[in-house]
Amino acid sequence: DAGVIQSPRHEVTEMGQEVTLRCKPISGHDYLFWYRQTMMRGLELLIYFNNNVPIDDSGMPEDRFSAKMPNASFSTLKIQPSEPRDSAVYFCASSFADRDQPQHFGDGTRLSIL
Amino acid sequence: KQEVTQIPAALSVPEGENLVLNCSFTDSAIYNLQWFRQDPGKGLTSLLLIQSSQREQTSGRLNASLDKSSGRSTLYIAASQPGDSATYLCAVEGNTGKLIFGQGTTLQVKP
Repeated sequence: DAGVIQSPRHEVTEMGQEVTLRCKPISGHDYLFWYRQTMMRGLELLIYFNNNVPIDDSGMPEDRFSAKMPNASFSTLKIQPSEPRDSAVYFCASSFADRDQPQHFGDGTRLSIL
Repeated sequence: KQEVTQIPAALSVPEGENLVLNCSFTDSAIYNLQWFRQDPGKGLTSLLLIQSSQREQTSGRLNASLDKSSGRSTLYIAASQPGDSATYLCAVEGNTGKLIFGQGTTLQVKP
């Protein structure tokens, strides 16, 4: 089992640039989640999908953030334009529809906006 | 609004000690409670999941308890080892299916 795969692992870019984070969930999982982790705010849910359909995006901080899931094996989180306060570790997780099964997390993308 | 608090924020113990990590939550209307482990530079790994109807779950040296009415959970680690050093996160899942996380307890087990 390859687990949840995220890319890139690290991203450093200048303010104003577009940033795209990528995620490949575990095959067969029904749900995909995007989280952001910072020292100040901890781990926060940004958006989640069920069978490729966005269900709840209430955690997306601003219109600068957007997420897509074009198929069951791929999702992107895009920030345009990026700002220094977007610097954080972004995690993707996936799970089965059975809520008694836990979410499986990728190793995250550490994003630094200069 | 659900809030999850973990105490202490950090803990350092000598190898071999038994220890307890605490988690409290403000809204008792939860579907389940989960404990995760996070190693530096890594994602979260699920340790234990307790359904709202359950009182505890055990896996090896780990035991997690849940008292939904008082809004509390504990993670008990027996005979701690240096390899247990990590950050431990508690999360509650409400009826919306969303996980709300605590800030975590960073554990260091000294050889």
